[in-house]
Amino acid sequence: AQSVSQHNHHVILSEAASLELGCNYSYGGTVNLFWYVQYPGQHLQLLLKYFSGDPLVKGIKGFEAEFIKSKFSFNLRKPSVQWSDTAEYFCAVNAKSSASKIIFGSGTRLSIRP
Amino acid sequence: ETGVTQTPRHLVMGMTNKKSLKCEQHLGHNAMYWYKQSAKKPLELMFVYSLEERVENNSVPSRFSPECPNSSHLFLHLHTLQPEDSALYLCASPLGTDNTGELFFGEGSRLTVL
Repeated sequence: AQSVSQHNHHVILSEAASLELGCNYSYGGTVNLFWYVQYPGQHLQLLLKYFSGDPLVKGIKGFEAEFIKSKFSFNLRKPSVQWSDTAEYFCAVNAKSSASKIIFGSGTRLSIRP
Repeated sequence: ETGVTQTPRHLVMGMTNKKSLKCEQHLGHNAMYWYKQSAKKPLELMFVYSLEERVENNSVPSRFSPECPNSSHLFLHLHTLQPEDSALYLCASPLGTDNTGELFFGEGSRLTVL
């Protein structure tokens, strides 16, 4: 069965610090990978996605993520965070063979000190 | 109109009550999802409907009963719930027609079971 692990439950950073949020998945086949973000009081929205090709994908607001197949990882990064990045971040995966079943991690709450 | 609209936004019910959550999508696609979001836990996939047929049912207790009368509407009927069912219930629909796993989420229905 597919599963997604996000090891950091709560990350606190100062503005301008660099960010890396970990995401590991377990599934033996070919997958699509996603990061979603939930800003305070708002709905979950897609931040970036990986389907195939270049393993380094860029999303909105300066975020990027790198797919490392050998490590089953899809970590989210941003070189310099802003106070407005305060949110909860969710990693998600679905198997290409069963695309309707999208599995999420438990989320990482990111707090940015102004 | 937003892409996915959920009502009510907040619901408080007793364990013996019967209530329903409603979801309406305006994205024009044929799949709809129910997820359960509890604090510090992964989003739990509950049900997936495609073309008004249930394609995923993730071992959800029978006290949750989904209904999809057409491709734009999805209900979650609730009866004899338990306090541990208190959570945010999220409805989602695909962003595209190719079912890659990109989802557009509603703002959720916050359920409290007393």
